[in-house]
Amino acid sequence: DAMVIQNPRYQVTQFGKPVTLSCSQTLNHNVMYWYQQKSSQAPKLLFHYYDKDFNNEADTPDNFQSRRPNTSFCFLDIRSPGLGDAAMYLCATSRVGQPQPQHFGDGTRLSIL
Amino acid sequence: SQQGEEDPQALSIQEGENATMNCSYKTSINNLQWYRQNSGRGLVHLILIRSNEREKHSGRLRVTLDTSKKSSSLLITASRAADTASYFCATRGGTSYGKLTFGQGTILTVHP
Repeated sequence: DAMVIQNPRYQVTQFGKPVTLSCSQTLNHNVMYWYQQKSSQAPKLLFHYYDKDFNNEADTPDNFQSRRPNTSFCFLDIRSPGLGDAAMYLCATSRVGQPQPQHFGDGTRLSIL
Repeated sequence: SQQGEEDPQALSIQEGENATMNCSYKTSINNLQWYRQNSGRGLVHLILIRSNEREKHSGRLRVTLDTSKKSSSLLITASRAADTASYFCATRGGTSYGKLTFGQGTILTVHP
């Protein structure tokens, strides 16, 4: 089945140690999104790609970067994780055109020691 | 910033009862979507209603949209224990690439 896959499901890193989360999709969707979701809160959009066009949200910290080497893969890099970055990170995709739902992966839960 | 507010924040019912969740938003929208999130999992799209639609059905789900009041409701009929999850409304404006703004969510617990 076509889907959005996030690896790993659980990631533990040390305070200040760079970490990369990955997302792949078999849906061939143009747009890929990264969300941060803290406990009992709504998902918060960090940035998205339309093909290779990167769009950063105004309030996304500089500590968060992203790469999309091809249509299928997208990476979230956290350069120097702080304790406040512990959260679930969700990747989603959608096709350009209206109206379109977003298709989510199961997320990566990031813990900071 | 989050656009939507959902009401109630938590809802606890018995199996077989109906569950109604409400969502309000602040700015004009292109469409409104409802998602379900099981604990520790990603979001699953349930239903999408366009701004020119007033009501939509999908199986046991019924969604209404009142653009004059900037509000929507999700009704789940004949609830099951498997419906236990968090439910989020999300609005899409007319701007870039399907960006969604999520409400705070309603935690639904259905007791067997």
